Amino acid sequence: DTAVSQTPKYLVTQMGNDKSIKCEQNLGHDTMYWYKQDSKKFLKIMFSYNNKELIINETVPNRFSPKSPDKAHLNLHINSLELGDSAVYFCASSQSGDSPLHFGNGTRLTVT
Amino acid sequence: QKEVEQDPGPLSVPEGAIVSLNCTYSNSAFQYFMWYRQYSRKGPELLMYTYSSGNKEDGRFTAQVDKSSKYISLFIRDSQPSDSATYLCAAKPTTDSWGKLQFGAGTQVVVTP
Repeated sequence: DTAVSQTPKYLVTQMGNDKSIKCEQNLGHDTMYWYKQDSKKFLKIMFSYNNKELIINETVPNRFSPKSPDKAHLNLHINSLELGDSAVYFCASSQSGDSPLHFGNGTRLTVT
Repeated sequence: QKEVEQDPGPLSVPEGAIVSLNCTYSNSAFQYFMWYRQYSRKGPELLMYTYSSGNKEDGRFTAQVDKSSKYISLFIRDSQPSDSATYLCAAKPTTDSWGKLQFGAGTQVVVTP
């Protein structure tokens, strides 16, 4: 019973396509996040939702749109994929207050 | 310039040796410091976190924070091949949410049998 689970694990697609990544957490946390990890392993925050409300929206192209149907789910939709979008995308969750992040195992996106 | 700097390695040590990992940071407002371990093709998992300066020990792992020199360290005693992973340090000010964690780029550690 994985705490933070993402699907799919791997995603290979062509430029210009639209794709979605799903994330679910069963930890009862109220805050969820999307991170991007580039080829140099650098983790960068993209979005954060607290109880379905967007609270962090870093400088990310508007081709990326997060959606949180409830506090246990945070999905990421990407329109018009570009080669530079190739990376590993991590979902994470935490309980607001004194609670570090718990990460999923990532979705490895390759855009050809 | 990134707020948290970390040597990417790889750092190769023989089994049983002490692994010493370091990060430096530039933001004097950082108060929370943490270490994550990331195995290949997996997500980062939290190893330890500390608040402000000082040491924290958990089994074979010891985390140290020296705020005067803006230096974060992680020591792994009696290293095992299963400790081979990338270790990420991270930090944030008290006032920022956990989403504002600043990560280092990670140090790859290889423990050879």
